[in-house]
Order: sequence, then C-alpha cells, then structure tokens
Amino acid sequence: DAEITQSPRHKITETGRQVTLACHQTWNHNNMFWYRQDLGHGLRLIHYSYGVQDTNKGEVSDGYSVSRSNTEDLPLTLESAASSQTSVYFCASSEYTSTDTQYFGPGTRLTVL
Amino acid sequence: GDSVTQMEGPVTLSEEAFLTINCTYTATGYPSLFWYVQYPGEGLQLLLKATKADDKGSNKGFEATYRKETTSFHLEKGSVQVSDSAVYFCALSTPTGGSYIPTFGRGTSLIVHP
Repeated sequence: DAEITQSPRHKITETGRQVTLACHQTWNHNNMFWYRQDLGHGLRLIHYSYGVQDTNKGEVSDGYSVSRSNTEDLPLTLESAASSQTSVYFCASSEYTSTDTQYFGPGTRLTVL
Repeated sequence: GDSVTQMEGPVTLSEEAFLTINCTYTATGYPSLFWYVQYPGEGLQLLLKATKADDKGSNKGFEATYRKETTSFHLEKGSVQVSDSAVYFCALSTPTGGSYIPTFGRGTSLIVHP
C-alpha cells in the first residue's frame, strides 16, 4: 500500500544545531507540504512543492528550507534550531487539483533545548 | 484571502449523543471542502469531503453538506462513540491562480465520555 513516512518520530536537539526532518511518500504525488502544529495555532504551512525542483515558502518559512530532488522526498532543514521551533511537524502530499485529498505522515515531535 | 472558522472546543459529549461541529468559510473562487480527523499521536486523515454545492460527504456515520448560500460545511453525527474522541479540522482548497494550498481551521477537540 502507498504511504507517507516521516523520520525521526522524535528528536531532541540543541539551540543552534542544524536539523533535517525526512519525509518520503510512495503515492507518486506531485504536491508535498510541510506544516507545524502548535497549541492555539492549528496547522501552519512552512514550505510546499508542486514537483521536482519546485519549492515555495509558506506562512512561517523563516529559519526553514526544503529541497525537492525527486518525486518521493521533501526533507525539511532547520538551519540553526531555535527554541521557538519546538513543535510537531507534519508532512503531507496530494495529487494535482484542489479537489484532491491531502495524505499526512505520522508527524515528528521536535524539541529544541 | 481564504479562511475557515470552526467552533472552539473542547466539545464534551456523552456516548450516543448527537454531534454538530460548525464550520464556515470565506473563499475566492469555488472551493472544495474537507473534514479531517486527527486521533491522538497521529497525523490528520480525511474524514469526508464535498466538491460542489449541495454535495453531501459522508463516512463512518459522519455527514456534512456543502452549503454555498450560507458558506458552511457543518459536521454532524447522530450517535457518537468514545472512539470518536479526536480533533476535527475543517479545510478548504481553491484553485486560485494554479495554487492548490489548502486552508485549515484551527481544529475542534471532541471528547466523548462513556
């Protein structure tokens, strides 16, 4: 069965370190998204991609970057982790159009000390 | 821009009670509407969706009808179970300028007691 996976599921790091969160999907979807989920804020979009070599900033992109070198993967990098980036991060993918469902990964809980 | 407003929670009910979670939206263009559910410790998953006015989405006893005249997509279930305890997100997606980024509400927590 097709799926979307994230790794690691839990990560503790220190302020200033670079961290990369992995996202891999086997749906063969063109669209991929990264969100963070925080109490009181719901889901906030960090970055998204509509295909290989395409990346776009979301509403909370400062301090984060992504790259899309193939269809299956969209890793999220925190260039210099800050305590404000402690959160649960979700990756999602979807097909082409606005009627299409988003499929979410299980999430990565990141703690920045 | 597009926005989704859903009732704040938590909503606390007894088993077998009737559930309504309100959702209203503003959107440019003609959106598709979704309800996603998030169980504890998991990612979101689609519960139901509707892509045009007057469509009714349904799944697992939950229903929602796309009401264009009232810009609403309220979620209902006739008899909730303890296993329905979760966070419910209303969302829309509009093909604006080739962009298909969904807009999510803040989520409504549902707690069902035995």
